[in-house]
Parts: sequence; structure tokens; C-alpha cells
Amino acid sequence: AQSVTQLDSQVPVFEEAPVELRCNYSSSVSVYLFWYVQYPNQGLQLLLKYLSGSTLVKGINGFEAEFNKSQTSFHLRKPSVHISDTAEYFCAVRFGGSNYKLTFGKGTLLTVNP
Amino acid sequence: EAQVTQNPRYLITVTGKKLTVTCSQNMNHEYMSWYRQDPGLGLRQIYYSMNVEVTDKGDVPEGYKVSRKEKRNFPLILESPSPNQTSLYFCASSATGTNYGYTFGSGTRLTVV
Repeated sequence: AQSVTQLDSQVPVFEEAPVELRCNYSSSVSVYLFWYVQYPNQGLQLLLKYLSGSTLVKGINGFEAEFNKSQTSFHLRKPSVHISDTAEYFCAVRFGGSNYKLTFGKGTLLTVNP
Repeated sequence: EAQVTQNPRYLITVTGKKLTVTCSQNMNHEYMSWYRQDPGLGLRQIYYSMNVEVTDKGDVPEGYKVSRKEKRNFPLILESPSPNQTSLYFCASSATGTNYGYTFGSGTRLTVV
């Protein structure tokens, strides 16, 4: 079955520390990968996406993610976080042949403390 | 400005009273979809539409209806709401033939008492 797993439901970090939010998927077909961010009381905003080509993709607000096909992972990273990065982060996957449906992970709440 | 507009943002209703949440997009997108977001469960797809008059069930369609009479509009209808439909709802749209992901609306927080 096709699924998306975000391994950490909550990640607390201190300001200016690096962070990695993990995402794994289960699929035997081609995938397109996305990370979305949801700030408190707001909708979802696209951070970055992997469609093809270079496995390291850069997004907005200094975030980047690396697609690892052998490990079926798409982890999100930022070298130095700010208080304003406090939000919930969702990994989403479009599985090949899925009629544009995005399957979401359960989300990771990133809390940046001073 | 390219956007997906949902209304209302907040809604409190009583069990069994029919309601409609509207969704409209101004990007001429073919694909539209409704999701519900619940704590610890992430976002789950309710219904989607590939184009006008083409709709299909997502993962959690029970208790919901949709229609797509015009390309820009995709309302979500709850004929007889129940407390387990208390949730945060998002409408999203996407152009087909691309992989640009979704544009999301701002969400509708529904409480059924």
C-alpha cells in the first residue's frame, strides 16, 4: 500500500540550531514529493517540491530537502532555524497514476524556542 | 491575485442541519479537491474533481457531497452533519498536466454540536 510516514510528531529545537524533519514513503511507482508548511490558524503553503532531476531541492525560507530513492525518503532540513519557523510541516506525495491526488503525512510540529 | 477562496472561515452548527462550504478558484484549474484535517491524522481527501461534472470519492467521503457545475466552484455539502464531522476543512486546486502541487484555501473550521 502507498503511504507517507512522518516519523516525528513533534520536534522542539532552540533558535539558530539546525533541524531535520523526516519523511518516508512506501511506493513501487514513481513519486512526486512536496513539503508544505502550516502556520498557526493559516492554510498550507508550499515550501518546496521534487519532480525530477537534482535530488537536492531548495525552497523558500532557507529550507531544503533531499530525495533518496533507495531509502524512499524526502527529509526536510534547515541549517539555522528562527522563532518564526514555528509551524506544522507536512510531507506530501503524489504517487504515479494517482489522478493528481496528494497523500499527506500526519505532520510534524516544529517548535523553535529562544 | 491567484487564490482559492473558502467561505465561511468559521462555522458552528447543530447536528442534522444541512450546510454548504463554498470554494472558488481564479486560476482556471481543472483539478479541485476537499480535505479534512484532524489532529494526529494529517490531511485526508474527501472528494475530488478532475473537471466540470467529473467528481469522485477520496478516502473519507461518507457524509459528504460535492458538485462541480462550473470550473471555478467546488462546494462541499453536508446534508446531515454529525459531531464526528467537526474538523478543519481545506479546499485545494491544481492545474492538470503539471506537477506543481496544490494551491490551498485558508480553511474552514467547522464545529457540529
